[in-house]
Amino acid sequence: TQLLEQSPQFLSIQEGENLTVYCNSSSVFSSLQWYRQEPGEGPVLLVTVVTGGEVKKLKRLTFQFGDARKDSSLHITAAQPGDTGLYLCAVHLHAGNMLTFGGGTRLMVKP
Amino acid sequence: GAGVSQSPSNKVTEKGKDVELRCDPISGHTALYWYRQSLGQGLEFLIYFQGNSAPDKSGLPSDRFSAERTGGSVSTLTIQRTQQEDSAVYLCASSKGLATYEQYFGPGTRLTVT
Repeated sequence: TQLLEQSPQFLSIQEGENLTVYCNSSSVFSSLQWYRQEPGEGPVLLVTVVTGGEVKKLKRLTFQFGDARKDSSLHITAAQPGDTGLYLCAVHLHAGNMLTFGGGTRLMVKP
Repeated sequence: GAGVSQSPSNKVTEKGKDVELRCDPISGHTALYWYRQSLGQGLEFLIYFQGNSAPDKSGLPSDRFSAERTGGSVSTLTIQRTQQEDSAVYLCASSKGLATYEQYFGPGTRLTVT
């Protein structure tokens, strides 16, 4: 069992649709991050959420941290082909600042 | 400015050979991290450096894996006697320090062991 469970694993939608992906855990975290990774590239940080219940918006992307700081969601409004990629949630667990990642949600947005 | 760079971008090697993967972090970043991304295991932490020292090597999967960092900059990840299960994308990241949350990733080295 992974520390961070992401769902769904795969998602294929049409341009213009809305979607939500989830990152769940039974552990409590002081903060949580979302990354997007495109083919042939490393992950790129999208957002860090630190407060239970916090909502952050990045253009058409809305990130929410659960009240209990155990889970998070990413909602994309009116998805575009440019949103295609692997979405990863991650947490820092140890003093060394290294990241533990969820398994990711692979999103494909078809034109 | 220049981001994290890694070389080679692709490496194909025969089982049993040694390989060296290189990471050039962003200038001035004191912390450097190595991760491995494979289909079966996802993205997993291997080792990190603060300056030239590596306080935590617990993520290295076996004693065939080693890493060093010299001059507080370039890092090399070495895999000895490669096995097929070592096939993966090896990602390097750097950050300004351990206290900052943002890590910047390089494009990775895709290693294929035949």
